[in-house]
Amino acid sequence: DTGVSQDPRHKITKRGQNVTFRCDPISEHNRLYWYRQTLGQGPEFLTYFQNEAQLEKSRLLSDRFSAERPKGSFSTLEIQHTEQGDSAMYLCASSQPGLVPYEQYFGPGTRLTVT
Amino acid sequence: QKEVEQDPGPLSVPEGAIVSLNCTYSNSAFQYFMWYRQYSRKGPELLMYTYSSGNKEDGRFTAQVDKSSKYISLFIRDSQPSDSATYLCAMSEGIQGAQKLVFGQGTRLTINP
Repeated sequence: DTGVSQDPRHKITKRGQNVTFRCDPISEHNRLYWYRQTLGQGPEFLTYFQNEAQLEKSRLLSDRFSAERPKGSFSTLEIQHTEQGDSAMYLCASSQPGLVPYEQYFGPGTRLTVT
Repeated sequence: QKEVEQDPGPLSVPEGAIVSLNCTYSNSAFQYFMWYRQYSRKGPELLMYTYSSGNKEDGRFTAQVDKSSKYISLFIRDSQPSDSATYLCAMSEGIQGAQKLVFGQGTRLTINP
């Protein structure tokens, strides 16, 4: 078990382009979370899946953002028509009920820069 | 006002000092309280968690929760240069409530040899 992985680690895109990030959780974890972290701030919750069901979305997740977890394993986060304000670190985390309550294991993040 | 407030620092102390990190919060539904450590360009990693009020000790680290004051603390004894990182407090409503973690801003800590 190598932990939560995210791809790509860095993405530079021009304003208006679409980008997609991938997260592979720890294999037995059925919960998957997306957070966004800007410089000097703590992570902010975006959305959460239990298996393939998207159970909660933050109001931070505008219509330009969409997340999927089609088979209950990996997840993708897509941002359409990127804006400079989307520049941030996008973190994925996973957890398994029954272990340390709500211990979420984080991946290394995808750093997005919108120019 | 943010749900969780944390002094961003930066905080710089000499090796061997006792470090105190704190957070306050406004949501009385929070039941689980966690401290994460984040090194530069890495994801956060869980250091300690506490359920409801009380103290918890793990080696050089002690976490305290005072729900009556909506105040949590992390103490680091005999601090080491390897403790230099950003420390994030995080909270969750838990079983009957939201699954998400709500984080503080993070305190950047430097331990000087």
